[in-house]
Amino acid sequence: EIVMTQSPATLSVSPGETATLSCRASQSVSYKLAWYQQKPGQAPRLLIYAISTRTPGIPARFSGSGSGTEFTLTISSLQSEDFAAYYCQQYNDWPRTFGQGTRVDIK
Amino acid sequence: EVQLLESGGGLEQPGGSLRLSCAASGFTFGSYAMSWVRQAPRKGLEWVSSLSGDGTSTYYADSVKGRFAISRDNSKNTLYLQMNSLRADDTAVYYCVKSWDFWSAEWFDPWGQGTRVTVSS
Repeated sequence: EIVMTQSPATLSVSPGETATLSCRASQSVSYKLAWYQQKPGQAPRLLIYAISTRTPGIPARFSGSGSGTEFTLTISSLQSEDFAAYYCQQYNDWPRTFGQGTRVDIK
Repeated sequence: EVQLLESGGGLEQPGGSLRLSCAASGFTFGSYAMSWVRQAPRKGLEWVSSLSGDGTSTYYADSVKGRFAISRDNSKNTLYLQMNSLRADDTAVYYCVKSWDFWSAEWFDPWGQGTRVTVSS
């Protein structure tokens, strides 16, 4: 099983600043990495797949990067609606696995 | 617009059974792999099971293998999860999710609103 490890667990950021979230895979997942956002009481929603491809409707302030085992989600100029939990997920192998999540809260 | 509406959750005793359903609309259901993902209270996301568009390929997390069965009825645009031998650690919100492709259930988009399953005596 590919273990996905996210850091930090919690990130405190002021509105307007940039948040940098990390995700590490226990073995290479190639380009098969997705990011999700989940707000309290809501279902997750897909932000990015294939490391850096944003889904329609996702603002350009969300960007993904990385390769192999190290990946980053960057949220530039944080807006109030961006304070949420974020999860990475690999789909290179079965079982599909998620990171434990990073919560971005208001500083 | 794609819509996924789960139902069938509730309170069940350990060792009991439940069947979750997910009614899909807004897309050609049989052309896409579908999956279930769960989230225990105050915990992260856990993939449970996936199924190819024609139902011939199934995949399960080790934690549910042998106890849960995923299936679909493409004539009814509905996905199912039969959950047997329920345990307390199966307590979670269960989400129905669509994939972009027919076979591989890669990334998950969109997600249903979830149905809550509580296993307790």
